[in-house]
Amino acid sequence: QQQVKQSPQSLIVQKGGISIINCAYENTAFDYFPWYQQFPGKGPALLIAIRPDVSEKKEGRFTISFNKSAKQFSLHIMDSQPGDSATYFCAASRGTGRRALTFGSGTRLQVQP
Amino acid sequence: DTAVSQTPKYLVTQMGNDKSIKCEQNLGHDTMYWYKQDSKKFLKIMFSYNNKELIINETVPNRFSPKSPDKAHLNLHINSLELGDSAVYFCASSPEGSPPHEQFFGPGTRLTVL
Repeated sequence: QQQVKQSPQSLIVQKGGISIINCAYENTAFDYFPWYQQFPGKGPALLIAIRPDVSEKKEGRFTISFNKSAKQFSLHIMDSQPGDSATYFCAASRGTGRRALTFGSGTRLQVQP
Repeated sequence: DTAVSQTPKYLVTQMGNDKSIKCEQNLGHDTMYWYKQDSKKFLKIMFSYNNKELIINETVPNRFSPKSPDKAHLNLHINSLELGDSAVYFCASSPEGSPPHEQFFGPGTRLTVL
């Protein structure tokens, strides 16, 4: 049972465009929703995260939109750049202290120059 | 450099062998994790340790055994390796407590079982 569903699997965007990646979760006990960015041959690295009491969080060109009633959240990358080309994972965790992440299936983003 | 490090980076071995992957973090974190990333890039938690105590043990074959000699190290030992064990294994760490904290991932160990 996949608790966090992510789409699309892959995405091609032109430089300067907006990249949008969507995730949906099932477990309402999740209370922390990070996005991780992974470059080839590297480990995932935290990009931005949100808690469910906030509907939107913006950090630079990256924005998370969160819809608690729909149990959905999305990552928007404004003014996408070739350097943003990577695999993006949404994730969720719950509880206090030791928080293992439940990851989505990943989206491979290619930003064409 | 402060980081999560893993050795080896690549591991190629025959079916049936026993192998270990080592992980060390010098971030002073209390919690460490092992994740498995399969060929489709899907990342799944395997184990979580807090201060040398096993906290999370997902549905993983008992051929996999984590060992934490101290809170800065979490090693993964795999017995009787199978073809399906081929994957990239990531170690991660995070500090204890709330609010939620970033998990810092190591560079991964690519295991190939022939």
